[in-house]
Amino acid sequence: ETGVTQTPRHLVMGMTNKKSLKCEQHLGHNAMYWYKQSAKKPLELMFVYSLEERVENNSVPSRFSPECPNSSHLFLHLHTLQPEDSALYLCASSQEISTKNIQYFGAGTRLSVL
Amino acid sequence: DAKTTQPPSMDCAEGRAANLPCNHSTISGNEYVYWYRQIHSQGPQYIIHGLKNNETNEMASLIITEDRKSSTLILPHATLRVTAVYYCIVRTGGTSYGKLTFGQGTILTVHP
Repeated sequence: ETGVTQTPRHLVMGMTNKKSLKCEQHLGHNAMYWYKQSAKKPLELMFVYSLEERVENNSVPSRFSPECPNSSHLFLHLHTLQPEDSALYLCASSQEISTKNIQYFGAGTRLSVL
Repeated sequence: DAKTTQPPSMDCAEGRAANLPCNHSTISGNEYVYWYRQIHSQGPQYIIHGLKNNETNEMASLIITEDRKSSTLILPHATLRVTAVYYCIVRTGGTSYGKLTFGQGTILTVHP
């Protein structure tokens, strides 16, 4: 148990569906991240929120829409996805402006787009 | 952040120490070396990090060369459950938000 919980763990959706991934951290951190891990590829950073403001968006298509309503919750809203978006989506949190800057990851959501 | 180079795979016998190397020849003075591991289909897990001194915690030891261009992660008495992908990451520590750039890592297989 890392203190970062992601739901759902598995999701199957059609290309016309709209769904959301949820991440909740119980560590009192002030930064949260979304990563994408496709098969046989390294993790790719998608979005970073620091103090509830988006500070990084790594050229992610607009069909992925993040939301950070407070420092404990992070969402990734999905719409009109493509089959190549099938991947493991990982959420992480950290306490910034600290000497360690350690990120704690959730177990991920395995997404399949049909 | 500096780029790292790791061997794609390594084997280790159960109970022996696993020594995982990492080259980071372009590391700059304010960049830390971090190690994470990812067990199959789980999220990455932090192991250890260091700047220039050797570090040890309950999971592993980190040995950084004097010129800081390479480092070795040592897992003492490896068990089957530490079979995972190990990532060596170099990033600037301190005041910025965290940004980890993952490479392909080293697949460590511990066998009986």
